[in-house]
Amino acid sequence: DAGVTQSPTHLIKTRGQQVTLRCSPISGHKSVSWYQQVLGQGPQFIFQYYEKEERGRGNFPDRFSARQFPNYSSELNVNALLLGDSALYLCASSSTPQGANEKLFFGSGTQLSVL
Amino acid sequence: AQKVTQAQTEISVVEKEDVTLDCVYETRDTTYYLFWYKQPPSGELVFLIRRNSFDEQNEISGRYSWNFQKSTSSFNFTITASQVVDSAVYFCALSDDRFWGYSTLTFGKGTMLLVSP
Repeated sequence: DAGVTQSPTHLIKTRGQQVTLRCSPISGHKSVSWYQQVLGQGPQFIFQYYEKEERGRGNFPDRFSARQFPNYSSELNVNALLLGDSALYLCASSSTPQGANEKLFFGSGTQLSVL
Repeated sequence: AQKVTQAQTEISVVEKEDVTLDCVYETRDTTYYLFWYKQPPSGELVFLIRRNSFDEQNEISGRYSWNFQKSTSSFNFTITASQVVDSAVYFCALSDDRFWGYSTLTFGKGTMLLVSP
């Protein structure tokens, strides 16, 4: 079975632009979480979705938004990009709504560079 | 607030050496979970272990072992007889236990392990 897949793998944008990142969870997993990993730091929680509902949001500005589709795939949108948004964006899936206190399965991430 | 500290930024060892990665955590919760994840150069985080706060038994899995000490709020990870394939960034993480909602992971900054032949 396929693992968590993310697209695109790399992306270059300029300040002020908008970006959409995509994630497909492991088949059968209904929970998707998004994490931002800045170079040299640990991942930081952005959102969690379960059954298409937002279950949690981290300390990120409203420029960040996400949604989950009926097939449990998810998109992360970032508007008005800033240089500080440059990071590896990781998607993780799990089979339960509790999310992080269960084992998470991560994708390889989307490397976003904002110039 | 929860916090995870991995004081070792980078460790370099020669193959077959034993190496211990340190992790110290802070939480006010009485029920919580501790994790170790491995991040190879490909980027995805790979789950290694989960322990809950009520289970202080040490665990061994092949060359990997974990020492959980609640008294010192530490959850250290030892690799015995390290191999080149162990080279990666290792993250310690902490989550709370929310029965009614969701849980999130708080990660440390990671320890980069370089194992040379």
